[in-house]
Amino acid sequence: SQQGEEDPQALSIQEGENATMNCSYKTSINNLQWYRQNSGRGLVHLILIRSNEREKHSGRLRVTLDTSKKSSSLLITASRAADTASYFCATDVRGSNYKLTFGKGTLLTVNP
Amino acid sequence: DTAVSQTPKYLVTQMGNDKSIKCEQNLGHDTMYWYKQDSKKFLKIMFSYNNKELIINETVPNRFSPKSPDKAHLNLHINSLELGDSAVYFCASTPTGALNTQYFGPGTRLTVL
Repeated sequence: SQQGEEDPQALSIQEGENATMNCSYKTSINNLQWYRQNSGRGLVHLILIRSNEREKHSGRLRVTLDTSKKSSSLLITASRAADTASYFCATDVRGSNYKLTFGKGTLLTVNP
Repeated sequence: DTAVSQTPKYLVTQMGNDKSIKCEQNLGHDTMYWYKQDSKKFLKIMFSYNNKELIINETVPNRFSPKSPDKAHLNLHINSLELGDSAVYFCASTPTGALNTQYFGPGTRLTVL
C-alpha cells in the first residue's frame, strides 16, 4: 500500500480563503515533500521539510510535520485561482535509496 | 531550455504493439526515474537509474524495459502493449545531495486501443 494518504481528496474554496491539506504516512522518513500538478502537466516541487523540522514557510505556503503522528499539513494562504491544481505529498522513506512514495493527492479548486 | 523533456507527448497505439518513450534532462542530474500515473492520479514509481545503473526496479511487468545510454537520458520501451498500460508516464530527475527533490517532465499520455 502507498505510504502517503492525502486528506481531503478534493477541496473547493473561494479566492482569498486559506486551503489546508493533510498527509499521513506509515513509516520513518528522511523528509516529506509537497508537489503541485496542474491539469495535464508534470509535478512541480513546492517545499521540503526534513524529519527534524516541525514547520517551514515558503511564500504563501506553510508546511508542518508531526513525526509522532506521522502526519503533515500544507497550508496555502490567501489562495488564488491560479492555485487550482492537485497537491501531492511524497515521503523519502529511510533506507529507500532515492525513492519517493507519493500519496493520491488533493484536488484543490479555487473559485474566482 | 526545457529542463526535463519527454517525447512523444501523446502516444496512441494498438494492443500488442511495441513502443518507446524518450526522456532527456539537461540539468546535470545523476538520478532519473520513470513513474506511471493512472486515471485516478495515483503516481507509482517504476524504475530509477543512477549514473546509468539501475537502482530501483519496482514490481513492473518485464514487458517494460528501461535503458539509460548516458546519465542525461532514460528511455522506456514497452513490448506487447496491453489496455492496462494506458496511463500518463512521467520522467523525473534529481541531483545528488538534493534530498531527493525531483524535477518532472511534462508527461507522455499513452492510450492503448
